[in-house]
Amino acid sequence: AQKVTQAQTEISVVEKEDVTLDCVYETRDTTYYLFWYKQPPSGELVFLIRRNSFDEQNEISGRYSWNFQKSTSSFNFTITASQVVDSAVYFCALSPFSGNTGKLIFGQGTTLQVKP
Amino acid sequence: ETGVTQSPTHLIKTRGQQVTLRCSSQSGHNTVSWYQQALGQGPQFIFQYYREEENGRGNFPPRFSGLQFPNYSSELNVNALELDDSALYLCASSSGGYNNEQFFGPGTRLTVL
Repeated sequence: AQKVTQAQTEISVVEKEDVTLDCVYETRDTTYYLFWYKQPPSGELVFLIRRNSFDEQNEISGRYSWNFQKSTSSFNFTITASQVVDSAVYFCALSPFSGNTGKLIFGQGTTLQVKP
Repeated sequence: ETGVTQSPTHLIKTRGQQVTLRCSSQSGHNTVSWYQQALGQGPQFIFQYYREEENGRGNFPPRFSGLQFPNYSSELNVNALELDDSALYLCASSSGGYNNEQFFGPGTRLTVL
């Protein structure tokens, strides 16, 4: 089965706190891509990061960082010094190689609320 | 903004009716994927079109159908609407291939009464 699980439905933090969004995935494919998207209230999904299954290096982009651990099938996302503008729904997604369509399998999403 | 546009923004239909949603892909992209996002859920893959041919389909019944035109814009058609079809319908364009970033449009909010 191909599946993405985001166990945290909602997270609420106060501005400037660090927050980690968890993502666990399942796939039998050895080749796949993982993504994180942000969905603000406007509804449009905003691409944040893409990571392939052969690259386990952690990545940092400004206040955002991602920790990919193949051994635990996890791809967690950390926001450092959160800001009110980070409030949104965040989705983790898997794109398996099988079928070669590039279809994205999304998790249920985590709603992040950052309070001033 | 991604350059992917969708129309209409909102739509209200009644059960049994038919609906057509439209998507214009980003310049240079030849692949369009459609997703259904029910309230409080993650998007679900409906199908993908690559160079005017269907290139993969999710677990949706045949009353969900689509088209892609020579300019790579696309339509999603849903026949015999059901209440559960109420959702945000998202279109994403890409330059093809399983590893390419998909750029999403703002979506069409469909309400079925």
